[in-house]
Amino acid sequence: DIQMTQSPSTLSASVGDRVTITCRASQSISNWLAWYQQKPGKAPKVIIYKASRLESGVPSRFSGSGSGTEFTLTISSLQPDDFATYYCQQYNTYIFGQGTKLEIK
Amino acid sequence: QVQLQESGPGLVKPSQTLSLTCTVSGGPITSGPFYWSWIRQPAGKGPEWIGRVSSSGTTDYNPSLNSRVTISVDTSKNQFSLNLDSVTAADTAVYYCARLARREHWGVFDYWGQGTLVTVSS
Repeated sequence: DIQMTQSPSTLSASVGDRVTITCRASQSISNWLAWYQQKPGKAPKVIIYKASRLESGVPSRFSGSGSGTEFTLTISSLQPDDFATYYCQQYNTYIFGQGTKLEIK
Repeated sequence: QVQLQESGPGLVKPSQTLSLTCTVSGGPITSGPFYWSWIRQPAGKGPEWIGRVSSSGTTDYNPSLNSRVTISVDTSKNQFSLNLDSVTAADTAVYYCARLARREHWGVFDYWGQGTLVTVSS
């Protein structure tokens, strides 16, 4: 089975910071990867699909990149609403990473 | 705007069957192409896909749960359902229903229910 590993598990940052979260697949998944944002007590919300495509309605400060086995989610200038947990998910067998909690420094 | 809502017992005894229903509103479940999925999330962990059903009743399941899972669809009620047999404490989680959509390939869950906590305990 393909495994998805995210790093770091927790990231402390301040409003206005640029942050990057990494997701690694145990084998190549081409660019079939999505990113989700989840806030406490809420369902995940898709923000990026096919590794780098922005979901409709998502602010442009979010971006994704990568292909094969290594992917990144970048938030260019953190806003208060962005503090949440982020998950990557590969398309084929719908496996999610373990999550990266983005917290206020 | 599509909305999904889970319903079912919040407490299930060990060895019994967990049964949940997802009611879809804002459009017919037969519109598409979409699949309708169940996903669960234990406390503090990442989501785990359980399985999917098409509006015609075609199913696919997570191999790790395949022997215990049944997902079905009732288009007349705009609902789909989950049965998970022989539950243990390890099945305690928040259970979500979600719509699986194509973003150039099948793989993105674009609408989710609010989730329902199911606890397995005697």
